This record gives sequence, C-alpha cells and structure tokens, in this order.
Amino acid sequence: EAGVVQSPRYKIIEKKQPVAFWCNPISGHNTLYWYLQNLGQGPELLIRYENEEAVDDSQLPKDRFSAERLKGVDSTLKIQPAELGDSAVYLCASADDGYNEQFFGPGTRLTVL
Amino acid sequence: ELKVEQNPLFLSMQEGKNYTIYCNYSTTSDRLYWYRQDPGKSLESLFVLLSNGAVKQEGRLMASLDTKARLSTLHITAAVHDLSATYFCAVDMFNDYKLSFGAGTTVTVRA
Repeated sequence: EAGVVQSPRYKIIEKKQPVAFWCNPISGHNTLYWYLQNLGQGPELLIRYENEEAVDDSQLPKDRFSAERLKGVDSTLKIQPAELGDSAVYLCASADDGYNEQFFGPGTRLTVL
Repeated sequence: ELKVEQNPLFLSMQEGKNYTIYCNYSTTSDRLYWYRQDPGKSLESLFVLLSNGAVKQEGRLMASLDTKARLSTLHITAAVHDLSATYFCAVDMFNDYKLSFGAGTTVTVRA
C-alpha cells in the first residue's frame, strides 16, 4: 500500500514569492492534516480536513497561508507571500478517520532566502 | 492547552548500554504515541499506548504509560547504532483530534 505522497520534497524560494505544496493521502483516508515542523521541534498542526471540509484551521496563519482539498482527496497548501520565518518542513498526514492513527508523508523542506 | 515535554532533548548513548527517554504531558489524554524520525525522513510510528499501565515492546525498544502520573517512558535496551534518530512522543484526546508533540529527543549511539 502506498503511503502519503508529498511534493516537492525540497523548495528554495526568495522571500515574498509564492509557494505551494501538494499532498496525496493514503487511499481511502478521509482525514488529512498539514503540520509545520521547525528545526529541532515537534510538528505543529496547521489545518485538519475531514473529506473536503476544513474542520480545524485555528492554527493556520490566514493572512498568508491557504489550503484546499478539492474532491476530498489531494490537498494543496499555499503560502503567499513567503517570509524568512516560513523556512521549515511541512508535513502532511492522513488517517482513515479523525479518531485513528495518523500516517505521515516525507515532508517538504522549504527554505526562504 | 495540552503541553508535552520530553527529556532529555539530546542523548548520547554508548553501544550496549540501557537508556530511558521521558515524556510528560499536562492534561488528561486518551492516547500516547511514540514516533521515530530519521534525518530528512518522515515520522515512523513506533507505539500507541491507550491505557494506564500499558506496555509495548518491539526489539530493543519498550514503551510504557502511567496516566496517573501523566508520564510515558521509552526504554532502550543495549543500544545499537541503528537506533540513532530523533524520537518524539505525542498525545491526543478523542474530543480534540489534534496531536500535540514533544520537542523530540535526538539520540546518537556511539561505539
């Protein structure tokens, strides 16, 4: 069974540029999460989807971050414009429902110059 | 807000010796997880602990949970180089769904 797929794996951009990350969850998993992991820290939740609905986006900085999960499968996380402090790893995870164990993707490492 | 603290944050192990990583959390939790993360890789689930007194073992790793003390331990027996990684604990509550992670313990095993 394929795991959670994320792309790109690495991204380097200049500040003020836009950037987007893509996540394909495990087949059949209705719940999808985006996490931010700063260097030397544990992941922190940005947003949680149940199917196509964002049910918890309280930690998402909505002035520059946006996310979507059209059709309740793949998801895209966007930052516009990126700031230096956005340099981090962005992890996607999925679960077959919100109560069950989350499975993590390999992450996208973003460097903002 | 659920807070999760791990210690130590860095652990240099000598091959063949035993060590313990501690995970404390601030409020009642329903589940506790241990993950392993290798450099540049994603989080790999090691254990899920659901109830007070739960103990799980896989190879040289053993995890236990004391819900009254709000403490979990990850015990490493006879450390080997392959165990070098960062280990995270995380907790959640059924009515919240959100996983709250500790800062991680970076383990280096030396000969």
